[in-house]
Amino acid sequence: EAQVTQNPRYLITVTGKKLTVTCSQNMNHEYMSWYRQDPGLGLRQIYYSMNVEVTDKGDVPEGYKVSRKEKRNFPLILESPSPNQTSLYFCASSFRDRGQTQYFGPGTRLLVL
Amino acid sequence: RKEVEQDPGPFNVPEGATVAFNCTYSNSASQSFFWYRQDCRKEPKLLMSVYSSGNEDGRFTAQLNRASQYISLLIRDSKLSDSATYLCVVNNWEYGNKLVFGAGTILRVKS
Repeated sequence: EAQVTQNPRYLITVTGKKLTVTCSQNMNHEYMSWYRQDPGLGLRQIYYSMNVEVTDKGDVPEGYKVSRKEKRNFPLILESPSPNQTSLYFCASSFRDRGQTQYFGPGTRLLVL
Repeated sequence: RKEVEQDPGPFNVPEGATVAFNCTYSNSASQSFFWYRQDCRKEPKLLMSVYSSGNEDGRFTAQLNRASQYISLLIRDSKLSDSATYLCVVNNWEYGNKLVFGAGTILRVKS
């Protein structure tokens, strides 16, 4: 089954404790992206990747890192989480061509205390 | 000003009603347009793409007015299962396949 998976689905952590949210897709998509969703603000792009070893900042990259060592995986790293990173996070993937449909993972709910 | 603006609602309608959502976007360089549906904080799912000529998918009709930078979604004969948040989305190709989302419009269909 074609899908985007994220782990963990739910996470409660404390300020400053490094964490990684994994994202994996099995559709051979070149393009992958991370979004965060906050009430009243919609989804905002954090980072994106056009292909292996090619990543770039989105609209809200502060406090996040990503890597793209393999085509299927695009982990999101929070080196020192803070309470303002409490949010719902979605990973998405698509083929790189313009206008391609993006497929979203199920989301990760993060609470930083 | 947000790049994509939507009326947040909620729109409370009875089953069988026709309801219309509107959306405006500010970046004239936007190239592709979509409506996504999101159920109760689950992942967004593509409902339909939006074309200048207008397009229809069953009970759903989407329209795009590039001159006014305006997108609409019309739902006819509303069902209880249509209750969800509808996200207006534009795609700016200058940043790859970046999607820019509106904050969403909540629809509640009641029996």
